[in-house]
Amino acid sequence: DAGVIQSPRHEVTEMGQEVTLRCKPISGHDYLFWYRQTMMRGLELLIYFNNNVPIDDSGMPEDRFSAKMPNASFSTLKIQPSEPRDSAVYFCASSFGTGVHEQYFGPGTRLTVT
Amino acid sequence: GQQVMQIPQYQHVQEGEDFTTYCNSSTTLSNIQWYKQRPGGHPVFLIQLVKSGEVKKQKRLTFQFGEAKKNSSLHITATQTTDVGTYFCAGVREYGNKLVFGAGTILRVKS
Repeated sequence: DAGVIQSPRHEVTEMGQEVTLRCKPISGHDYLFWYRQTMMRGLELLIYFNNNVPIDDSGMPEDRFSAKMPNASFSTLKIQPSEPRDSAVYFCASSFGTGVHEQYFGPGTRLTVT
Repeated sequence: GQQVMQIPQYQHVQEGEDFTTYCNSSTTLSNIQWYKQRPGGHPVFLIQLVKSGEVKKQKRLTFQFGEAKKNSSLHITATQTTDVGTYFCAGVREYGNKLVFGAGTILRVKS
């Protein structure tokens, strides 16, 4: 298996622009997680899905952030409008069963908002 | 809410020295997981501990889960330069269903 795939790997955008991050989980995994990592706040869970349904989005910072999972093999995290404080590395992870089984992380998307 | 505290935040050791990072939870955990993130990389799962007092070893790495299932440790014997990175613990609250990550311990090894 190719592992969790994320695109783009790097994104530089101007403040106010819309940003869409993409993730393809490992085939057969039924949980998908979006994390944000910064030096100041560490690794934060933004939202997670089970069988394509959002279960907990309490970590989503504000209404500018939205996430979708239209099918078992694809998810997006969208920021609109983007702000400089959104600059971070965004990881997608998948697992088979949350809390009990290990999570497999993608390589991440490094987002820079100028 | 559930918190997972990790100490130290940062440790710089001479190659060959031992290293330990500690993880403490405010609540009883059903299990704890450890991840390693190399500089510029992504977190990679190392191990999971489930039982009270459990000890597991992976070569030079020893993982322990406390008797009360509220704390854990990772000990590396005779560090090597390949051990550099950030080590995260992550726990699931008893009867919970969400993995909460600690802030991580950054390990640097001087050769």
